[in-house]
Amino acid sequence: ETGVTQSPTHLIKTRGQQVTLRCSSQSGHNTVSWYQQALGQGPQFIFQYYREEENGRGNFPPRFSGLQFPNYSSELNVNALELDDSALYLCASSRSSENEKLFFGSGTQLSVL
Amino acid sequence: QKEVEQNSGPLSVPEGAIASLNCTYSDRGSQSFFWYRQYSGKSPELIMFIYSNGDKEDGRFTAQLNKASQYVSLLIRDSQPSDSATYLCAVNILSGNQFYFGTGTSLTVIP
Repeated sequence: ETGVTQSPTHLIKTRGQQVTLRCSSQSGHNTVSWYQQALGQGPQFIFQYYREEENGRGNFPPRFSGLQFPNYSSELNVNALELDDSALYLCASSRSSENEKLFFGSGTQLSVL
Repeated sequence: QKEVEQNSGPLSVPEGAIASLNCTYSDRGSQSFFWYRQYSGKSPELIMFIYSNGDKEDGRFTAQLNKASQYVSLLIRDSQPSDSATYLCAVNILSGNQFYFGTGTSLTVIP
Protein backbone atom coordinates (compact mmCIF):
# COMPACT_ATOMS: atom_id res chain seq x y z
CA GLU A 1 0.00 0.00 0.00
CA THR A 2 1.06 3.58 -0.64
CA GLY A 3 1.29 6.15 2.14
CA VAL A 4 -1.46 8.25 0.55
CA THR A 5 -4.59 8.42 2.68
CA GLN A 6 -7.99 9.71 1.66
CA SER A 7 -11.11 10.46 3.62
CA PRO A 8 -13.90 9.68 3.73
CA THR A 9 -13.92 6.29 1.97
CA HIS A 10 -17.57 6.55 1.00
CA LEU A 11 -19.97 9.47 0.78
CA ILE A 12 -23.58 9.90 -0.26
CA LYS A 13 -24.87 13.34 -1.24
CA THR A 14 -27.89 14.73 -3.02
CA ARG A 15 -27.90 16.80 -6.17
CA GLY A 16 -27.04 20.46 -5.54
CA GLN A 17 -25.09 19.83 -2.37
CA GLN A 18 -21.40 20.55 -1.84
CA VAL A 19 -18.71 18.06 -0.85
CA THR A 20 -15.13 18.20 0.42
CA LEU A 21 -12.74 15.29 0.00
CA ARG A 22 -9.40 15.09 1.77
CA CYS A 23 -6.01 13.63 0.98
CA SER A 24 -2.75 13.26 2.87
CA SER A 25 0.23 12.74 0.62
CA GLN A 26 2.96 10.17 1.06
CA SER A 27 5.95 11.27 3.16
CA GLY A 28 8.45 13.13 0.99
CA HIS A 29 5.92 13.93 -1.70
CA ASN A 30 5.11 17.59 -2.37
CA THR A 31 2.74 17.31 -5.32
CA VAL A 32 -0.87 16.16 -5.24
CA SER A 33 -3.08 15.32 -8.21
CA TRP A 34 -6.78 14.53 -8.21
CA TYR A 35 -8.50 12.16 -10.62
CA GLN A 36 -12.11 11.17 -11.20
CA GLN A 37 -12.81 7.56 -12.15
CA ALA A 38 -16.31 6.76 -13.31
CA LEU A 39 -17.44 3.13 -13.28
CA GLY A 40 -15.76 1.16 -16.07
CA GLN A 41 -13.56 4.08 -17.09
CA GLY A 42 -9.98 5.10 -16.57
CA PRO A 43 -9.08 7.93 -14.21
CA GLN A 44 -9.54 11.45 -15.60
CA PHE A 45 -7.25 14.27 -14.50
CA ILE A 46 -9.01 17.01 -12.52
CA PHE A 47 -6.06 19.13 -11.36
CA GLN A 48 -2.68 19.11 -9.67
CA TYR A 49 -1.34 21.16 -6.76
CA TYR A 50 2.27 22.05 -6.11
CA ARG A 51 3.52 24.56 -3.56
CA GLU A 52 -0.08 25.29 -2.58
CA GLU A 53 -1.00 26.47 -6.07
CA GLU A 54 -2.91 24.84 -8.89
CA ASN A 55 -0.37 23.50 -11.36
CA GLY A 56 -2.47 22.28 -14.24
CA ARG A 57 -6.14 21.48 -14.74
CA GLY A 58 -8.08 18.99 -16.81
CA ASN A 59 -11.41 19.50 -18.52
CA PHE A 60 -13.52 20.02 -15.41
CA PRO A 61 -15.80 22.99 -14.65
CA PRO A 62 -14.93 25.65 -12.04
CA ARG A 63 -17.27 24.07 -9.50
CA PHE A 64 -14.41 21.61 -8.98
CA SER A 65 -11.84 23.41 -6.86
CA GLY A 66 -9.02 22.47 -4.59
CA LEU A 67 -6.51 23.47 -1.97
CA GLN A 68 -3.09 22.34 -0.90
CA PHE A 69 -1.81 23.03 2.59
CA PRO A 70 1.75 23.69 3.81
CA ASN A 71 2.05 20.06 4.92
CA TYR A 72 1.23 19.05 1.30
CA SER A 73 -2.16 17.60 2.18
CA SER A 74 -4.98 18.58 -0.13
CA GLU A 75 -8.71 19.01 -0.46
CA LEU A 76 -11.03 18.63 -3.42
CA ASN A 77 -14.24 20.63 -3.26
CA VAL A 78 -17.18 20.09 -5.57
CA ASN A 79 -20.08 22.53 -5.53
CA ALA A 80 -23.58 22.11 -6.93
CA LEU A 81 -23.25 18.35 -7.21
CA GLU A 82 -24.72 16.67 -10.26
CA LEU A 83 -25.70 13.04 -10.72
CA ASP A 84 -22.77 12.55 -13.14
CA ASP A 85 -20.34 13.49 -10.38
CA SER A 86 -20.91 10.03 -8.91
CA ALA A 87 -17.52 8.37 -9.21
CA LEU A 88 -14.40 7.23 -7.39
CA TYR A 89 -12.20 10.23 -6.62
CA LEU A 90 -8.53 9.38 -6.46
CA CYS A 91 -5.75 11.42 -4.97
CA ALA A 92 -2.21 10.74 -6.15
CA SER A 93 0.96 12.15 -4.67
CA SER A 94 4.40 12.44 -6.21
CA ARG A 95 7.73 14.17 -5.80
CA SER A 96 8.19 17.23 -7.98
CA SER A 97 11.49 15.72 -9.11
CA GLU A 98 9.70 12.51 -10.13
CA ASN A 99 6.38 13.99 -11.10
CA GLU A 100 5.64 11.12 -13.39
CA LYS A 101 5.46 8.44 -10.71
CA LEU A 102 2.06 8.69 -9.15
CA PHE A 103 1.12 6.91 -5.96
CA PHE A 104 -2.62 6.65 -5.50
CA GLY A 105 -4.67 6.64 -2.36
CA SER A 106 -7.53 4.20 -1.94
CA GLY A 107 -10.06 6.76 -3.13
CA THR A 108 -13.37 8.22 -2.03
CA GLN A 109 -16.47 6.69 -3.55
CA LEU A 110 -19.00 9.50 -4.04
CA SER A 111 -22.61 8.78 -4.82
CA VAL A 112 -24.90 11.63 -5.80
CA LEU A 113 -28.62 10.88 -5.55
CA GLN B 1 -10.59 10.59 -30.64
CA LYS B 2 -9.51 9.32 -27.26
CA GLU B 3 -5.93 10.00 -26.32
CA VAL B 4 -5.34 6.47 -25.08
CA GLU B 5 -7.18 3.39 -26.26
CA GLN B 6 -7.18 -0.12 -24.89
CA ASN B 7 -9.22 -3.20 -25.60
CA SER B 8 -11.58 -3.49 -22.64
CA GLY B 9 -11.46 -7.25 -22.74
CA PRO B 10 -12.13 -9.30 -20.85
CA LEU B 11 -8.95 -11.21 -21.58
CA SER B 12 -8.68 -14.70 -20.15
CA VAL B 13 -5.48 -16.74 -20.06
CA PRO B 14 -4.64 -20.02 -18.32
CA GLU B 15 -2.26 -20.01 -15.39
CA GLY B 16 1.36 -20.08 -16.57
CA ALA B 17 0.61 -18.56 -19.97
CA ILE B 18 1.74 -15.19 -21.31
CA ALA B 19 -0.81 -12.38 -21.12
CA SER B 20 -0.45 -9.64 -23.71
CA LEU B 21 -2.07 -6.26 -23.13
CA ASN B 22 -2.07 -3.55 -25.75
CA CYS B 23 -2.49 0.20 -25.83
CA THR B 24 -2.40 2.87 -28.53
CA TYR B 25 -2.12 6.62 -28.09
CA SER B 26 -2.90 9.52 -30.34
CA ASP B 27 -0.50 12.32 -29.35
CA ARG B 28 2.95 12.03 -30.89
CA GLY B 29 4.20 14.40 -28.21
CA SER B 30 3.71 11.69 -25.60
CA GLN B 31 6.95 11.10 -23.77
CA SER B 32 6.38 8.59 -21.04
CA PHE B 33 4.19 5.57 -20.70
CA PHE B 34 2.91 3.70 -17.70
CA TRP B 35 1.08 0.55 -16.80
CA TYR B 36 -1.06 0.47 -13.69
CA ARG B 37 -2.80 -2.53 -12.17
CA GLN B 38 -6.15 -2.01 -10.47
CA TYR B 39 -7.80 -4.73 -8.44
CA SER B 40 -11.55 -4.54 -8.14
CA GLY B 41 -12.52 -1.89 -5.61
CA LYS B 42 -8.94 -0.75 -5.15
CA SER B 43 -6.83 2.13 -6.42
CA PRO B 44 -4.39 1.90 -9.35
CA GLU B 45 -0.89 0.65 -8.57
CA LEU B 46 2.11 1.51 -10.77
CA ILE B 47 3.78 -1.64 -12.11
CA MET B 48 5.88 -0.48 -15.07
CA PHE B 49 6.97 2.65 -16.88
CA ILE B 50 8.90 3.10 -20.11
CA TYR B 51 10.31 6.14 -21.85
CA SER B 52 12.35 4.80 -24.79
CA ASN B 53 11.56 2.62 -27.76
CA GLY B 54 12.14 -1.05 -27.20
CA ASP B 55 11.59 -3.44 -24.33
CA LYS B 56 11.91 -2.99 -20.61
CA GLU B 57 11.78 -6.00 -18.32
CA ASP B 58 10.99 -6.16 -14.61
CA GLY B 59 10.53 -9.63 -13.24
CA ARG B 60 7.61 -11.31 -15.00
CA PHE B 61 6.59 -8.03 -16.66
CA THR B 62 7.87 -6.63 -19.94
CA ALA B 63 6.79 -3.28 -21.34
CA GLN B 64 7.26 -2.66 -25.05
CA LEU B 65 7.17 0.74 -26.71
CA ASN B 66 7.02 1.63 -30.38
CA LYS B 67 6.72 5.39 -30.79
CA ALA B 68 6.56 5.23 -34.58
CA SER B 69 3.43 3.08 -34.33
CA GLN B 70 2.21 4.91 -31.20
CA TYR B 71 1.86 1.59 -29.49
CA VAL B 72 2.75 0.32 -26.05
CA SER B 73 2.19 -3.14 -24.67
CA LEU B 74 2.60 -5.12 -21.48
CA LEU B 75 3.51 -8.78 -21.39
CA ILE B 76 3.00 -10.82 -18.25
CA ARG B 77 4.91 -14.09 -18.28
CA ASP B 78 3.95 -17.11 -16.18
CA SER B 79 0.58 -15.53 -15.40
CA GLN B 80 -0.79 -16.19 -11.93
CA PRO B 81 -4.37 -15.99 -10.63
CA SER B 82 -3.20 -13.05 -8.51
CA ASP B 83 -2.54 -11.15 -11.76
CA SER B 84 -6.29 -11.05 -12.37
CA ALA B 85 -7.10 -7.34 -12.40
CA THR B 86 -7.76 -4.41 -14.70
CA TYR B 87 -4.63 -3.03 -16.36
CA LEU B 88 -4.61 0.66 -17.14
CA CYS B 89 -2.33 2.22 -19.72
CA ALA B 90 -1.37 5.84 -19.04
CA VAL B 91 0.47 8.40 -21.11
CA ASN B 92 2.21 11.58 -20.02
CA ILE B 93 2.57 14.26 -22.66
CA LEU B 94 5.64 16.46 -22.84
CA SER B 95 6.56 15.58 -19.24
CA GLY B 96 3.59 17.58 -18.08
CA ASN B 97 1.53 17.04 -15.05
CA GLN B 98 -1.45 15.44 -16.73
CA PHE B 99 -1.75 11.75 -17.34
CA TYR B 100 -4.19 10.34 -19.85
CA PHE B 101 -5.51 6.91 -18.93
CA GLY B 102 -7.13 4.31 -21.09
CA THR B 103 -10.31 2.60 -19.97
CA GLY B 104 -8.36 -0.47 -18.92
CA THR B 105 -8.24 -4.13 -19.95
CA SER B 106 -9.73 -6.69 -17.62
CA LEU B 107 -7.49 -9.75 -17.26
CA THR B 108 -8.56 -13.04 -15.74
CA VAL B 109 -5.98 -15.78 -15.13
CA ILE B 110 -7.69 -19.15 -14.91
CA PRO B 111 -6.14 -21.67 -12.48
